[in-house]
Amino acid sequence: NAGVTQTPKFRVLKTGQSMTLLCAQDMNHEYMYWYRQDPGMGLRLIHYSVGEGTTAKGEVPDGYNVSRLKKQNFLLGLESAAPSQTSVYFCASSHFGQPFSYEQYFGPGTRLTVT
Amino acid sequence: GQQVMQIPQYQHVQEGEDFTTYCNSSTTLSNIQWYKQRPGGHPVFLIQLVKSGEVKKQKRLTFQFGEAKKNSSLHITATQTTDVGTYFCAGQARSGGYQKVTFGIGTKLQVIP
Repeated sequence: NAGVTQTPKFRVLKTGQSMTLLCAQDMNHEYMYWYRQDPGMGLRLIHYSVGEGTTAKGEVPDGYNVSRLKKQNFLLGLESAAPSQTSVYFCASSHFGQPFSYEQYFGPGTRLTVT
Repeated sequence: GQQVMQIPQYQHVQEGEDFTTYCNSSTTLSNIQWYKQRPGGHPVFLIQLVKSGEVKKQKRLTFQFGEAKKNSSLHITATQTTDVGTYFCAGQARSGGYQKVTFGIGTKLQVIP
């Protein structure tokens, strides 16, 4: 099992460009999450999904959109990148049950720089 | 809104010394989870505490959940260089009709051999 994978690992964008980060999990988990990690800020939840076709906003959703068309994939989109979106992005998934009540499995992260 | 404060933010210890990190929530929690992130890595789940006053041990690591379910601690006995990393707590609580999880900012542990 690969667990949770993220594509790409690194990316540099210019302000105003768009991109999509892909997260895939092979553990048949119902729940998936996108976080961003910034120095001194810990992990902040951007969006999450409790199942295929459903998404919900987290703590810092502005400037991001997500889609969960397939159970195993969770996409994070930046329509018009801004320097404030420079961060490390982590995807996570967890087993069926109440959201967040089960351990979250994290992907390796995507380091995004917006210039 | 729900806040989870974690202290200290940084800790340097000599190998063999003990280490403790603390989390305090502004609201009563349903449960709290602890994660470890090695430098350059991703967070890895360590444990979940659910019951008031719960204490769990994993070898040299001891996790406690306060009686009021608003605070938690992670204590490492006799640190080793393999303990280096950032330790995060993640508190879950009901907020506005749904369960919300908030991560602490983490405690970065450096172990000096």
